[in-house]
Amino acid sequence: QEQLVESGGGLVKPGGSQRLSCGASGFSVSDYYMAWIRQIPGKGLEWISYITSRDGTIYYADSMKGRFTMSRDSAKNSLYLQMNSLRPEDTALYYCARDHGRGHDCWALDIWGQGTMVTVSS
Amino acid sequence: QSALTQPPSASGSLGHSVTISCSGTSSDVGGYNYVSWYQQHPGKAPKLLISEVSQRPSGVPDRFSGSKSGNTASLTVSGLQAEDEADYYCSSFAGRNNPYVFGPGTKVTVL
Repeated sequence: QEQLVESGGGLVKPGGSQRLSCGASGFSVSDYYMAWIRQIPGKGLEWISYITSRDGTIYYADSMKGRFTMSRDSAKNSLYLQMNSLRPEDTALYYCARDHGRGHDCWALDIWGQGTMVTVSS
Repeated sequence: QSALTQPPSASGSLGHSVTISCSGTSSDVGGYNYVSWYQQHPGKAPKLLISEVSQRPSGVPDRFSGSKSGNTASLTVSGLQAEDEADYYCSSFAGRNNPYVFGPGTKVTVL
């Protein structure tokens, strides 16, 4: 069964750092575009970053550039999101997700993890 | 603030239909055939319903259909069932530097 499981969330102080992990099973993260998405509780969805399949190019939303770093470990079939200089407004549920297109552009996310909550508060 | 516009709420009677709109610009919805729709129940992750404007992934009932005209995309849910009560989000590609632009979501109530 294809699934994603995030971990690493928790309570962090403003200005602090947190590293999120996303483990995949049932498919290889290297075969698909993979993304991080966040959702402030009770609010909408916001794209953070994505990584391409073959060459592993990473793109970031403008508002996340410089503070968030996405990476991939193909051997562990996992993704990571390093978040630095965290602010209270970064408090959200963080999801990793898989793009539906394999080998072609699709830009739709068909597999989502359950999310991991990050709370930034003093 | 979302670049896409959705009505905050919509409703329909059991067994009837409801259509949700998603308005964008020629830089997103109108410029590409990469509009997708997601259903999200409380406390759950989003579920992909429609990709590439009108394609249903395997396992999604054909009660869900998508379309696009100009800068506006639509999701229609036919034969409304109680379990269709959820939040629905549209998303559009707006270039490789902004590929997942989400709407603010529409809460669908089944009467």
